[in-house]
Amino acid sequence: GAVVSQHPSRVICKSGTSVKIECRSLDFQATTMFWYRQFPKKSLMLMATSNEGSKATYEQGVEKDKFLINHASLTLSTLTVTSAHPEDSSFYICSARAGGGGNQPQHFGDGTRLSIL
Amino acid sequence: GENVEQHPSTLSVQEGDSAVIKCTYSDSASNYFPWYKQELGKGPQLIIDIRSNVGEKKDQRIAVTLNKTAKHFSLHITETQPEDSAVYFCAATLGSHNDMRFGAGTRLTVKP
Repeated sequence: GAVVSQHPSRVICKSGTSVKIECRSLDFQATTMFWYRQFPKKSLMLMATSNEGSKATYEQGVEKDKFLINHASLTLSTLTVTSAHPEDSSFYICSARAGGGGNQPQHFGDGTRLSIL
Repeated sequence: GENVEQHPSTLSVQEGDSAVIKCTYSDSASNYFPWYKQELGKGPQLIIDIRSNVGEKKDQRIAVTLNKTAKHFSLHITETQPEDSAVYFCAATLGSHNDMRFGAGTRLTVKP
């Protein structure tokens, strides 16, 4: 089946640090990648959608200068949390989808637990 | 935009019993409905999906039904096992859009 690898799985760092999270599709080409944030015992909240070679589309309320997304290839997208603060602590999950539009499945990574001290 | 409502929020069943989780959606143009299972500390894993041109799909102990008229779809797990314990999310997506909207999740506990 489709495999999505997300790294790192856990990050603990000081306030003010920038953190980069990588999302890779290992056995398929991901035309579109998604970044979600999940709070404890809550559902997934879509942050942004990125298509390979294009600028990401951010959901309302998500600061694009705070959460930098790069989707430079069909197998890699990165999310950089710039100048992270304790309120940015959360579980971040990426997903990837091959071509075919919205009626194709998204395949998720195992998430990154970000803790800002 | 699309709203997806999911019920119940928690479900506890005895091993061997069946479990049913229900979702409703608001946009009649929605045409793809996946179900995901999320275990603690992991990302969601796709377990079954259904498209709007069929009413039911089954894969071993898991089945999904879709009622387009009523705009609801359900996940059925038969002969539940303790390893089925997890949080289950339904989702719905428009074919013309890139995003997927998730339900709030159902925490299923299967008691041995």
